[in-house]
Amino acid sequence: GAGVSQSPSNKVTEKGKDVELRCDPISGHTALYWYRQSLGQGLEFLIYFQGNSAPDKSGLPSDRFSAERTGGSVSTLTIQRTQQEDSAVYLCASSLAGDRAHSGNTIYFGEGSWLTVV
Amino acid sequence: QKEVEQDPGPLSVPEGAIVSLNCTYSNSAFQYFMWYRQYSRKGPELLMYTYSSGNKEDGRFTAQVDKSSKYISLFIRDSQPSDSATYLCARTSYGKLTFGQGTILTVHP
Repeated sequence: GAGVSQSPSNKVTEKGKDVELRCDPISGHTALYWYRQSLGQGLEFLIYFQGNSAPDKSGLPSDRFSAERTGGSVSTLTIQRTQQEDSAVYLCASSLAGDRAHSGNTIYFGEGSWLTVV
Repeated sequence: QKEVEQDPGPLSVPEGAIVSLNCTYSNSAFQYFMWYRQYSRKGPELLMYTYSSGNKEDGRFTAQVDKSSKYISLFIRDSQPSDSATYLCARTSYGKLTFGQGTILTVHP
């Protein structure tokens, strides 16, 4: 596709349920990032993939959060036993290469998955 | 101390005004600096990036970096209502993009 695609765009789930959020990066982009944005807050880094491996998962807030990437393309962010404080926009981004940002390595964001835990 | 600090505003200005948005950062490691714009219910989009100290212009937008004081700024000239959005400063180092909190800007006609 032309841009980073995320699904679902909106998700309402009950507390305690598991959710899966999907990200389809721009074709050919080897680096993939997940961020979380809570109401009125900046973007909080969650995890970074280079290919299928995750050299930096330091931002995952708890062991209820996990992410995987297969085939160097699609990534899934899974939140187990959701809590109300997990309500946020989950943003995925991709870039050509993740070792550094430079003029040819712009990071592109998707529209986000809006998660509400009730 | 957060790696990137940004005044969240909100900031409200009349159309045509010059807008100044500012951030400070704490880590001096090799890095690029970026400004993103985010409209309501949309993902952030890259406005400008810069590495070295000094100014970089792109149309009505000027990004300024002062590495000695660890200060980055974005100036918007002749602001328009369509510039109303949240502006996020960010620094990147070895693949990890760290954002400020974002400044909410409203340009009223």
